[in-house]
Amino acid sequence: SQQGEEDPQALSIQEGENATMNCSYKTSINNLQWYRQNSGRGLVHLILIRSNEREKHSGRLRVTLDTSKKSSSLLITASRAADTASYFCATDGNSGNTPLVFGKGTRLSVIA
Amino acid sequence: GAGVSQSPSNKVTEKGKDVELRCDPISGHTALYWYRQSLGQGLEFLIYFQGNSAPDKSGLPSDRFSAERTGGSVSTLTIQRTQQEDSAVYLCASSSTGGRTEAFFGQGTRLTVV
Repeated sequence: SQQGEEDPQALSIQEGENATMNCSYKTSINNLQWYRQNSGRGLVHLILIRSNEREKHSGRLRVTLDTSKKSSSLLITASRAADTASYFCATDGNSGNTPLVFGKGTRLSVIA
Repeated sequence: GAGVSQSPSNKVTEKGKDVELRCDPISGHTALYWYRQSLGQGLEFLIYFQGNSAPDKSGLPSDRFSAERTGGSVSTLTIQRTQQEDSAVYLCASSSTGGRTEAFFGQGTRLTVV
């Protein structure tokens, strides 16, 4: 079952602009994670935000979490052509031993 | 090993044949996941192993799909009587404590059923 839903499905921006992707989920969570995927193969973990956190930064990445709205956003500042990839959010449940469930992803294209 | 290893990288099989896909997780990781990804789509959860607990098989699409994890380490995903709709990339991931920590992914096995 799909827990997270990313929005938009696809995003195209110019190099140097900021990119914002959103994720909505359905059930209570312990944490929410963002991943990046190049070329349809393995995913790489970007950032994890816990349910008691509202904002987190890592380099050019900024993640927010609003548990009341069951939503999160990923902001990539000063985008580069190398940021072109698909970005996925993933959530766990809050009942302990639950798997990570991924959304459908946002395909980001950064044009040089 | 240093990362999650999957084999084979690519597999072409004839419709109706059985296939086995292998995943070697990071040593010491108790959680192991299998996902399926069709072209341009998101990750479809298949099965989740966590330590000695019974696996969560809720994502397996049919009884043609099964998975084992021997000795809490290597896992094998088996697809019996493959169909063309089984064609996809099969991704394996492991993590130290399940959904509360980051997952490390292998590079996947691209399965093509002809």
